[in-house]
Amino acid sequence: ETGVTQSPTHLIKTRGQQVTLRCSSQSGHNTVSWYQQALGQGPQFIFQYYREEENGRGNFPPRFSGLQFPNYSSELNVNALELDDSALYLCASSLRGGEQFFGPGTRLTVL
Amino acid sequence: AQKITQTQPGMFVQEKEAVTLDCTYDTSDQSYGLFWYKQPSSGEMIFLIYQGSYDEQNATEGRYSLNFQKARKSANLVISASQLGDSAMYFCAMREGIISNTGNQFYFGTGTSLTVIP
Repeated sequence: ETGVTQSPTHLIKTRGQQVTLRCSSQSGHNTVSWYQQALGQGPQFIFQYYREEENGRGNFPPRFSGLQFPNYSSELNVNALELDDSALYLCASSLRGGEQFFGPGTRLTVL
Repeated sequence: AQKITQTQPGMFVQEKEAVTLDCTYDTSDQSYGLFWYKQPSSGEMIFLIYQGSYDEQNATEGRYSLNFQKARKSANLVISASQLGDSAMYFCAMREGIISNTGNQFYFGTGTSLTVIP
């Protein structure tokens, strides 16, 4: 059974740029959730995708967008990057409502 | 109001001793799930234990047990026989509502940093 994978591991961008983060869900899981974890904080829910449709969204602006593909992998896109977007971005896959299994995260630094 | 509150920013425990990490939650839903995750310095969140709101027995998984007190809205994690590898951040999380609802968001607390002393 393959676990949740994320790419890239680390990323450095400058303010105003755009970034795409990728996540492959665990085999058999149909739901992917994305979280932002700032340094010293708990993860904050960005949004969730279930069967290729957005299935809930946290308090994040529209410049945070996502996609889920037929194989249940997912992308998180962030436009017009701001310094405060610097964080660890975690992807989690699950069967709907079940325990979430997290990937190793992508650490984004915005300069 | 915070959905999940963890009041212990840092905890120390002697190796082989037991430790309790506190978690209180706030929800008006009757159906919800409570989770604990471990986050080592590498960053990956590791699922430890789950308690459903209708479960009458406290959940146990190996050295981990969840002290679920529904009336007090608390879901404390107990780690028995602490090991050096238990040193990490620990997060309590909650999923509200019935699974079939849309948007099964997890709410996380701010975490507790546990250090196991040899």
